Amino acid sequence: NAGVTQTPKFQVLKTGQSMTLQCAQDMNHEYMSWYRQDPGMGLRLIHYSVGAGITDQGEVPNGYNVSRSTTEDFPLRLLSAAPSQTSVYFCASSEADTEAFFGQGTRLTVV
Amino acid sequence: DAKTTQPPSMDCAEGRAANLPCNHSTISGNEYVYWYRQIHSQGPQYIIHGLKNNETNEMASLIITEDRKSSTLILPHATLRDTAVYYCTRIAGGTSYGKLTFGQGTILTVHP
Repeated sequence: NAGVTQTPKFQVLKTGQSMTLQCAQDMNHEYMSWYRQDPGMGLRLIHYSVGAGITDQGEVPNGYNVSRSTTEDFPLRLLSAAPSQTSVYFCASSEADTEAFFGQGTRLTVV
Repeated sequence: DAKTTQPPSMDCAEGRAANLPCNHSTISGNEYVYWYRQIHSQGPQYIIHGLKNNETNEMASLIITEDRKSSTLILPHATLRDTAVYYCTRIAGGTSYGKLTFGQGTILTVHP
C-alpha cells in the first residue's frame, strides 16, 4: 500500500514556465487536497476535491489549477510560474471524519 | 483570526512526558480536535483526534477540557525521534471535505 505518492520530489522552474505536480492515492479516498508550505509557516490550502469531477478553491488558489478526473489522481497545475510560488507542496487524501494522509512533498523553486 | 493557538516552542527531556497545549476557545459542538506532527519537513503525520472524551492510542494521549476550549497532547515518554512541529487543528464533523487549517504549530525539541 503506497498511500499518497507525489512526483516529482524536486523541481526547478524558470519564471513563466508551466508544469504539473502529480498526486496519486491508492486508498480509494473521496477527499483530496493540495497545500503549500512556505519556510517557517504552517500549511495553507490551495485547492481541494470532494470526489471525481468536483473541485473547489482553498485559501490561496491564484496561479494554480486542478482537475479530478479519477478518484486516484489529483494533479496541480502551475499556469505561469512565479518566484512567489517557490514553496513545498503537499497533497493529502482522506475520507469523511477520518485522518488525512499526506504525501512526502514536492520542493519547487522558481528562478 | 487563528482558530487554534499553540505556544511557538517547547523543550522536553528524553524519557519524560511532553505536554503540548492548544487553545480552541471558539470551538463548535460538532468540531473535532485533531493533532498532526511534521518531522524534518516531511508530510504531516496524523497523531490523534477527539471530540469531547479523552483519547489514547499507541502514539499519544489527548486530554480535552470539559468546556472543550482547550486540549493537551501528551507524549508519555518522549524520544529524540519525537522532535517535530506539532499542529493542533479543528475540523467540523461531516463538513470538512478533507480541508485542514494549520497554524504555525509548536516546535517540540526533545533533548538527550
